[in-house]
Amino acid sequence: DAGVIQSPRHEVTEMGQEVTLRCKPISGHNSLFWYRQTMMRGLELLIYFNNNVPIDDSGMPEDRFSAKMPNASFSTLKIQPSEPRDSAVYFCASSPGLAVFNEQFFGPGTRLTVL
Amino acid sequence: DAKTTQPPSMDCAEGRAANLPCNHSTISGNEYVYWYRQIHSQGPQYIIHGLKNNETNEMASLIITEDRKSSTLILPHATLRDTAVYYCIVRVVGTNAGKSTFGDGTTLTVKP
Repeated sequence: DAGVIQSPRHEVTEMGQEVTLRCKPISGHNSLFWYRQTMMRGLELLIYFNNNVPIDDSGMPEDRFSAKMPNASFSTLKIQPSEPRDSAVYFCASSPGLAVFNEQFFGPGTRLTVL
Repeated sequence: DAKTTQPPSMDCAEGRAANLPCNHSTISGNEYVYWYRQIHSQGPQYIIHGLKNNETNEMASLIITEDRKSSTLILPHATLRDTAVYYCIVRVVGTNAGKSTFGDGTTLTVKP
């Protein structure tokens, strides 16, 4: 298995532009998580899905952030409009289920820079 | 979930055991102790977890005190590739498993 796949690996954009981050979870995993990591705030959970349904989005910082999971093999995190303070590394992780925390596998991350 | 306290940084000589402490004095009876690590520029990686018994796997050992208020992750023979940030997390295993707080962790530097 290729593991969790994220694209793009690096994204540089200008303030005000729309940014879409993509994630393909490990096949057979029912739960998907989006995290953001910065030096100031560390690793933060933004939102997570179970069986394609958003369970908790309380970590999403603002309405500018939205996430979707149209099917079991694909999820997107969208920022519109983007701001410089959104610059961070965004990780996607997947797990066989919500009860199996120890098997949460992380992707390589997307490094976002908003100028 | 209970809060954890870890030293911000530690050094270890290559080939020696690395002992990483974690305090979780407010842990409740149904909370597990988990350890993850994050090597530079990579996503976090699960290492080990336990409830109250000591645990060992191919990566590390986890020693949990009898009162469960603290634990130690042991890397028995540290290598340069073990240089990473190590996160100690306590949480209940259940339907809320997605809600996890990684905290600041301990930066372990393994030196030749």
